[in-house]
Amino acid sequence: DVKVTQSSRYLVKRTGEKVFLECVQDMDHENMFWYRQDPGLGLRLIYFSYDVKMKEKGDIPEGYSVSREKKERFSLILESASTNQTSMYLCASSPADGQGSNEQFFGPGTRLTVL
Amino acid sequence: EDKVVQSPLSLVVHEGDTVTLNCSYEVTNFRSLLWYKQEKKAPTFLFMLTSSGIEKKSGRLSSILDKKELFSILNITATQTGDSAVYLCAGDNQGGKLIFGQGTELSVKP
Repeated sequence: DVKVTQSSRYLVKRTGEKVFLECVQDMDHENMFWYRQDPGLGLRLIYFSYDVKMKEKGDIPEGYSVSREKKERFSLILESASTNQTSMYLCASSPADGQGSNEQFFGPGTRLTVL
Repeated sequence: EDKVVQSPLSLVVHEGDTVTLNCSYEVTNFRSLLWYKQEKKAPTFLFMLTSSGIEKKSGRLSSILDKKELFSILNITATQTGDSAVYLCAGDNQGGKLIFGQGTELSVKP
């Protein structure tokens, strides 16, 4: 079974703190993604990566950065957390495009609250 | 800009009812449409549709794609409380990304 794990299920941080969300997948997938999910807005793509050390901005990258030093790990960084970054964060992975299905496999999510 | 729109955004039904969830899309280089179910955790994959008119079926769930009219529907017959979830559809634009709709929140009452 594909497994995508995220470092925390729930996280509470203060405004201005630096926050790290970690994601690890065990299926040797090339592609990894970070989304945030808010009521009525669905999943919005923050950043994605097609390969180690490679990153691309998604639809809402402002206030976030990412790091992919190893193929299996993709980190989302909030440099200075703000209350409007309170949300559910979902990580996903998928095989390289062209390998058939573009199905993405999701982690359990991290519910981040910024006070 | 690629776009996926789901309707309704929320729905409340009673056990035994049949429901139809809608997903319309405008996706360049469209390859496939995917449906996911999300309970209080990670979205789980339901169906991937690539061809028009071919129904995919899994138990009480079924889905079909219309590539001419650019929409898909997800049907759930004889609903159960365990079907309560957010249902997400997403379009694949062959760019490695999926474009997600807002989701439909289904609540099935006993």
